[in-house]
Amino acid sequence: NAGVTQTPKFQVLKTGQSMTLQCAQDMNHNSMYWYRQDPGMGLRLIYYSASEGTTDKGEVPNGYNVSRLNKREFSLRLESAAPSQTSVYFCASGKGDQPQHFGDGTRLSIL
Amino acid sequence: GQQLNQSPQSMFIQEGEDVSMNCTSSSIFNTWLWYKQDPGEGPVLLIALYKAGELTSNGRLTAQFGITRKDSFLNISASIPSDVGIYFCAGQRDTGGFKTIFGAGTRLFVKA
Repeated sequence: NAGVTQTPKFQVLKTGQSMTLQCAQDMNHNSMYWYRQDPGMGLRLIYYSASEGTTDKGEVPNGYNVSRLNKREFSLRLESAAPSQTSVYFCASGKGDQPQHFGDGTRLSIL
Repeated sequence: GQQLNQSPQSMFIQEGEDVSMNCTSSSIFNTWLWYKQDPGEGPVLLIALYKAGELTSNGRLTAQFGITRKDSFLNISASIPSDVGIYFCAGQRDTGGFKTIFGAGTRLFVKA
């Protein structure tokens, strides 16, 4: 039972490069989320998808796009990476009012 | 925007000591959650609280949902080295979709 799987685990990009972070869950959850974690700032919501076919902006959506490919998969895309996007990115999934389950994160560095 | 104030920011304690951390907000939440994050991993749920005043234990961990619904605390008794990590509180409310707000985390260091 894998839960929430994120790929890749680590990535280094140059400024201006594009990148897609992948996330898949096998728990049949309706909702999926993308967060970024920066020192001293906790988890900030980038985008979420309440159900297949819908996506909504979170607290810090600028510079990102998302795709809810199907019920299992929710990807996060950086079209033109900037150093300010250096962070640890977490995908999570959940069902209704149940607590979210998190993946192990993607550590992204942008030079 | 909405914020959760989590304190303390970090704690350095001796093995065997008890630990207490808390979260406060100016907003009311329907659910309070406590997660732990180990180095290099994602947050893992420790305790979920669904009713004001609720006191719930999970082994050496005890958490309470404040009566006002604006705060919660987590206590860890008799700390051990594997308690090291970052502890996050999270408040959740139904705003037409369930929105979860996370605190900034409490980083716990335990000295053997």
